[in-house]
Amino acid sequence: EADIYQTPRYLVIGTGKKITLECSQTMGHDKMYWYQQDPGMELHLIHYSYGVNSTEKGDLSSESTVSRIRTEHFPLTLESARPSHTSQYLCASQIAGQASKQFFGPGTRLTVL
Amino acid sequence: QKEVEQNSGPLSVPEGAIASLNCTYSDRGSQSFFWYRQYSGKSPELIMFIYSNGDKEDGRFTAQLNKASQYVSLLIRDSQPSDSATYLCAVVSSGNTGKLIFGQGTTLQVKP
Repeated sequence: EADIYQTPRYLVIGTGKKITLECSQTMGHDKMYWYQQDPGMELHLIHYSYGVNSTEKGDLSSESTVSRIRTEHFPLTLESARPSHTSQYLCASQIAGQASKQFFGPGTRLTVL
Repeated sequence: QKEVEQNSGPLSVPEGAIASLNCTYSDRGSQSFFWYRQYSGKSPELIMFIYSNGDKEDGRFTAQLNKASQYVSLLIRDSQPSDSATYLCAVVSSGNTGKLIFGQGTTLQVKP
């Protein structure tokens, strides 16, 4: 299993602020993902990475950006937060390979006022 | 048609009963299938995975896969109130990306 860490766990911030949600994993997994999920709603993939310097946009359009400079670290940034960004953001990692399992971090609950 | 479909529920069963959760998928090339449990306000937790046709048992959980019918199910025996959660079915895309495609989840309520 993977140890995946996300910080902060909860964030309340004002409109227009720049924020970075941190995600790190200690298992050396190549693949990492960011999902967005509103309460009671489906998971939506917003970004993914298959390794260092590899990032792709997911199925749901997002104003956020990501980077993958180190294998273990996959931060998500919002340059100017808006109330529409209020949601739960879940990071996950997965060993490369078709049959591998994906493990989730605890999530960051973001509220933009 | 969604790539992975689940009945959103809620599915309500009495304590001690068998809960049956179903999932259908559209990608005939998919080879790997997962069930996640998600408690309200928490992140998904992997509870079962299955790669071959047939049944796979782990404690009170049994995953069933029928690739010809493109159907995956999760049975929970002796359901407990602590099993009350949303269960997400996930299928690995057969393309080169290998992404997980999630269903919308089925909410299970186990009543004491």
